[in-house]
Amino acid sequence: GQSLEQPSEVTAVEGAIVQINCTYQTSGFYGLSWYQQHDGGAPTFLSYNALDGLEETGRFSSFLSRSDSYGYLLLQELQMKDSASYFCAVRSLSGNTPLVFGKGTRLSVIA
Amino acid sequence: DAGVTQSPTHLIKTRGQQVTLRCSPKSGHDTVSWYQQALGQGPQFIFQYYEEEERQRGNFPDRFSGHQFPNYSSELNVNALLLGDSALYLCASSLRTGVSYEQYFGPGTRLTVT
Repeated sequence: GQSLEQPSEVTAVEGAIVQINCTYQTSGFYGLSWYQQHDGGAPTFLSYNALDGLEETGRFSSFLSRSDSYGYLLLQELQMKDSASYFCAVRSLSGNTPLVFGKGTRLSVIA
Repeated sequence: DAGVTQSPTHLIKTRGQQVTLRCSPKSGHDTVSWYQQALGQGPQFIFQYYEEEERQRGNFPDRFSGHQFPNYSSELNVNALLLGDSALYLCASSLRTGVSYEQYFGPGTRLTVT
């Protein structure tokens, strides 16, 4: 089977940096995606890592270590609008699902 | 460029009833996936349609069925509704020839079963 673990909640101060970790168990791993979902909204794609290393997109960066089955999403210069749920999702060769999502991390940005 | 649209936005049904949810994919996309998202959980894959056929299916009972039309739009049908079917139902579209890791989600249909 496939499973993902991420913290359920994280709180950080506006302007700070926060890291959301994700560990996964799956066979035939393709890559790790990150999605953002505001309350009442649709999940929106943030980033994808297929190879080890850091991918940077503006204030957001995502990291993957295939050997450790671990990845993280890094959010810099936090803004109030970053308060949302963040999901890691695995794309794997095994199983019959395009994407398997974690349970999500609820990020609260405080002043 | 029209994004993914879903209807209705909200729906209240009684146990045992049947429901149909609708989805129109993002312009240019040919593949539609349906997900169920319970409160406080991540989306769970139900099934995926391409060329009007179910291509992949998650761990959901046969009460969940779907359809894709020639214009790529899709329906999700749920029969014999249970209280546990209450959730946000998300439709996501993508290109079959593209990469499945980037899916475009619609705003969802909030289904409440009483």
